[in-house]
Amino acid sequence: TQLLEQSPQFLSIQEGENLTVYCNSSSVFSSLQWYRQEPGEGPVLLVTVVTGGEVKKLKRLTFQFGDARKDSSLHITAAQPGDTGLYLCAGEPNSGSARQLTFGSGTQLTVLP
Amino acid sequence: DVKVTQSSRYLVKRTGEKVFLECVQDMDHENMFWYRQDPGLGLRLIYFSYDVKMKEKGDIPEGYSVSREKKERFSLILESASTNQTSMYLCASSLYIDSLQGMNTEAFFGQGTRLTVV
Repeated sequence: TQLLEQSPQFLSIQEGENLTVYCNSSSVFSSLQWYRQEPGEGPVLLVTVVTGGEVKKLKRLTFQFGDARKDSSLHITAAQPGDTGLYLCAGEPNSGSARQLTFGSGTQLTVLP
Repeated sequence: DVKVTQSSRYLVKRTGEKVFLECVQDMDHENMFWYRQDPGLGLRLIYFSYDVKMKEKGDIPEGYSVSREKKERFSLILESASTNQTSMYLCASSLYIDSLQGMNTEAFFGQGTRLTVV
């Protein structure tokens, strides 16, 4: 099993602050996805990054895939209370036959008004 | 809209009972997955299936079995529920693009079933 480690596990910040969440592995992934999960709901996809070094922006969220495709980061600018949730990264194995995603343990973000 | 529906939001079962968790998706996805989610452990894959009647063990299959008789339905079975199976169970489906390298599209999740075994 390819492991994904996320840090920090918990993050509590004030509205307007910036933050970065990390997702690291010793394994190479063919793609990496970021999900957000709100209480009582299933995770919902935010973005997929595929190419090493790729940067994708989604409003105030910036996602980066490491050059070696072993790590990724999520940066939120001027966080808002609506950003509160559990952020999960998920990697697709580099072998062509595998279909399952490996999930990280998640970062619980709380943005205080 | 893509929809993945889990049959129950909350379940309370007794130790030793046989428990069925049902999941239905309406997007004709090949792949279906069962995860359990526990605080600090993220999502751990129990079983997955990429075709009717096909199943593959995930990382923590012990104590569980699955059934996929129809493409749209994937059932998780706890043969004899135990208290350490108290958890949030999440079903997901995804589409597999069988191109040169193969790629999985995003996973669509159900709302989860919070199972308590007493």
